[in-house]
Amino acid sequence: QVHLVQSGAEMKNPGSSVKVSCTASGGAFSSYTLSWVRQAPGQGLEWMGGIIPVFGPANYAQKFQDRVTITADASTRTAYMELNSLRSEDTAVYYCASGIVPATIFSYHSMDVWGQGTTVSVSS
Amino acid sequence: QSALTQPASVSGSPGQSITISCTGTNSDIADYNYVSWYQQHPGKAPQLIIYDVRHRPSGVSSRFSGSKSGNTASLTISGLQAEDEAEYYCSSYSTTNTLVVFGGGTKLTVL
Repeated sequence: QVHLVQSGAEMKNPGSSVKVSCTASGGAFSSYTLSWVRQAPGQGLEWMGGIIPVFGPANYAQKFQDRVTITADASTRTAYMELNSLRSEDTAVYYCASGIVPATIFSYHSMDVWGQGTTVSVSS
Repeated sequence: QSALTQPASVSGSPGQSITISCTGTNSDIADYNYVSWYQQHPGKAPQLIIYDVRHRPSGVSSRFSGSKSGNTASLTISGLQAEDEAEYYCSSYSTTNTLVVFGGGTKLTVL
């Protein structure tokens, strides 16, 4: 089974950008969905977008479409999520998560393996 | 406000069964069998416990089961145990402005 390891915590100023990485070991990588989900302090889960590495272009939630870029490098088994124009409301734990079934556009909802989470704090 | 509606809290005693509901719309639960449930303990990443309405990932206890009727999905936990105390989230494929919608979460307390 795949194991996901994310990059470390980040502290950012408002207006700046953050790029979080998610590296997979073991199991399949390219043929499963790889989603990014965030959780603000004391709040619920929010899907930001995802990618199926073998297919290429990412899919984004409309709320984040103008500010987020999700990419994947199959050669290094690493996915990235870059969020721009950070504001205090972006303070959250950001998770990457891999799908359980071979990927289709319908399978983003079923996220079986999760990274440990990356805390991003945005404050001046 | 979350796209899917869950009760804020439920409770039960050890050994009992509880059910958590998740209500959506024709843009998600009603028209598609793509509903998942997650368990999250404080400070931990979520864990998938049900996918595609009623399927359990390998290693998940058979005490967890899922179902769907119309625009409402349900998670039932039988034989409640202290370790089941956690936050539970539903999610669904969606045809709105995002491919995945989540419920707001339900806090399960084992009395």
